[in-house]
Amino acid sequence: KAGVTQTPRYLIKTRGQQVTLSCSPISGHRSVSWYQQTPGQGLQFLFEYFSETQRNKGNFPGRFSGRQFSNSRSEMNVSTLELGDSALYLCASSPDTGQGREFFGPGTRLTVL
Amino acid sequence: QQQVKQSPQSLIVQKGGISIINCAYENTAFDYFPWYQQFPGKGPALLIAIRPDVSEKKEGRFTISFNKSAKQFSLHIMDSQPGDSATYFCAASTGGYNKLIFGAGTRLAVHP
Repeated sequence: KAGVTQTPRYLIKTRGQQVTLSCSPISGHRSVSWYQQTPGQGLQFLFEYFSETQRNKGNFPGRFSGRQFSNSRSEMNVSTLELGDSALYLCASSPDTGQGREFFGPGTRLTVL
Repeated sequence: QQQVKQSPQSLIVQKGGISIINCAYENTAFDYFPWYQQFPGKGPALLIAIRPDVSEKKEGRFTISFNKSAKQFSLHIMDSQPGDSATYFCAASTGGYNKLIFGAGTRLAVHP
């Protein structure tokens, strides 16, 4: 099976702009989670979607949002970008919810100038 | 508390030696404890995981030891190889949702 794919792999934006990142889970996986990785804060959970419903949300401002489509593909959106949003954004998929077996994609490196 | 505390921050081991990374948690509701390995430019890859009903799990050269009463768990890498040089993250989650709480990571360097 193909792994989790994320597009784009690299992105450069300026403050105030918005950005949309895309994630395609492993075939058959219905749960998609998003994480932010930074040198200072490490890996932090953003949100999880299962069957197009947000199941859980981390402690991030409302500028961070996401959605999941009927084919389990997911997008996350960050509006009004700030310098501190520069990070590696990781998507993880799981065949089910609640079991913790998450498989990560390579991430999207977002740089905000 | 949702924190998972990981130590050491960095570790240098000689080829063939044993690498040991420790994690401690506070939330007794955690019931799944995975370890992830991350190489530069890659996403974390699931290495091995344990649930609190067992005290040890071994997969090849990787072993998790789990101490429920002390709320601690550790990763042992036997016969460490230069190819094991990477950053290792412990994590924990509670049943019902895929929400991993990660430790800060340990950068392991295995010298030949």
